[in-house]
Amino acid sequence: EVQLVESGGGLVQPGGSLRLSCAASGFTFSSYEMNWVRQAPGKGLEWVSYISSSGSTIYYADSVKGRFTISRDNAKNSLYLQMNSLGAEDTAVYYCARVYTSSSGKAIDYWGQGTLVTVSS
Amino acid sequence: EIVLTQSPGTLSLSPGERATLSCRASQSISSSYLAWYHQKPGQAPRLLIYGASSRATGIPDRFSGSGSGTDFTLTISRLEPEDFAVYYCQQYGNSPFTFGPGTKVDIK
Repeated sequence: EVQLVESGGGLVQPGGSLRLSCAASGFTFSSYEMNWVRQAPGKGLEWVSYISSSGSTIYYADSVKGRFTISRDNAKNSLYLQMNSLGAEDTAVYYCARVYTSSSGKAIDYWGQGTLVTVSS
Repeated sequence: EIVLTQSPGTLSLSPGERATLSCRASQSISSSYLAWYHQKPGQAPRLLIYGASSRATGIPDRFSGSGSGTDFTLTISRLEPEDFAVYYCQQYGNSPFTFGPGTKVDIK
């Protein structure tokens, strides 16, 4: 069974940092592209960052570029998101998400349960 | 950046009725990279359709997707009680991999 379990969320002061982790199991983690997607309270989904299966290709949303860093450790089946210079606009549930790729298309097929990040003084 | 616009914002229907949701892109995208998800309160999103028209594993055939270029549609042929949720489209063709703002399907 595919499982994605996020951790590391919590309350942080504006300007602070936080590191999110996602532990993957039930599939060959090193073969899959991964993403972080967030959802502010009562709002829609916002794509945050992407990393290829090897880690060689990385993309960020403009809203987090220069502040967030995505990484992965395929030996530990883990995905990470280092978040710096946090502001109130970063308050959200952060989801770890796996990419499914087939001849018919590509999409996010598995999501973690999410971890809440609250930025407040 | 490809902007996705979803309409309507809210769709009020009764169980058994047909739902038609629209997703329009600001520029043409490959059908291979258009997906639909739904999300219920307090839950993570769930993949319904990928490649514009392929149903994900375990998704009933009352869900169907169609479209190409800039116009895509999700159709639910007969709404079941568990289908009342928020529906999002996403394009995965060009970074940033944007989501639409969502369509809420609620009970009339």
